[in-house]
Amino acid sequence: KQEVTQIPAALSVPEGENLVLNCSFTDSAIYNLQWFRQDPGKGLTSLLLIQSSQREQTSGRLNASLDKSSGRSTLYIAASQPGDSATYLCAVKETSGSRLTFGEGTQLTVNP
Amino acid sequence: DAGVTQSPTHLIKTRGQQVTLRCSPISGHKSVSWYQQVLGQGPQFIFQYYEKEERGRGNFPDRFSARQFPNYSSELNVNALLLGDSALYLCASSLTVNEQFFGPGTRLTVL
Repeated sequence: KQEVTQIPAALSVPEGENLVLNCSFTDSAIYNLQWFRQDPGKGLTSLLLIQSSQREQTSGRLNASLDKSSGRSTLYIAASQPGDSATYLCAVKETSGSRLTFGEGTQLTVNP
Repeated sequence: DAGVTQSPTHLIKTRGQQVTLRCSPISGHKSVSWYQQVLGQGPQFIFQYYEKEERGRGNFPDRFSARQFPNYSSELNVNALLLGDSALYLCASSLTVNEQFFGPGTRLTVL
């Protein structure tokens, strides 16, 4: 059974800091990995999708990397802003099906 | 183009009642998935439908059921509600096996 873990569970940083969020998964037979952002009580916004054959994806100040063999992904946020405050979730899609398996998220607070 | 839409936004029910949640996928998307997100946790997969057929089911009791209509919209039904069913119910649609796009969710409170 696939298990996804995100570390840390919560993170508080001053504005302008670069930061890294971590995601690990137990079964390396994944099809892709997706990073989402969730604001309180809201739905999920897709940030980046990395295919299993890719090593990284970039969008603006966000960069996500994938090391499938070690079961790890990182989300790098450059020059953090208060508007980045949200919960960040990673999810893996396994090759054997279409379901996403999510971690419990990292709650990020960026202080002005 | 409109994103994934869900209705209602919020819902309050009492234990033992039944509830129906609705989802309209992005135009052209034929796959719809349902997830339950309990406060403070990541979403848990409930069902996936593609072309009106169930393609996957998570570890949820038979009180949970779903269907997909010819226009690819979907309903999630939960019978005999329990307090533990209180959660944010998320619907996601996808065009291919790749990226899933999520709706705003329906907040269900069971009293």
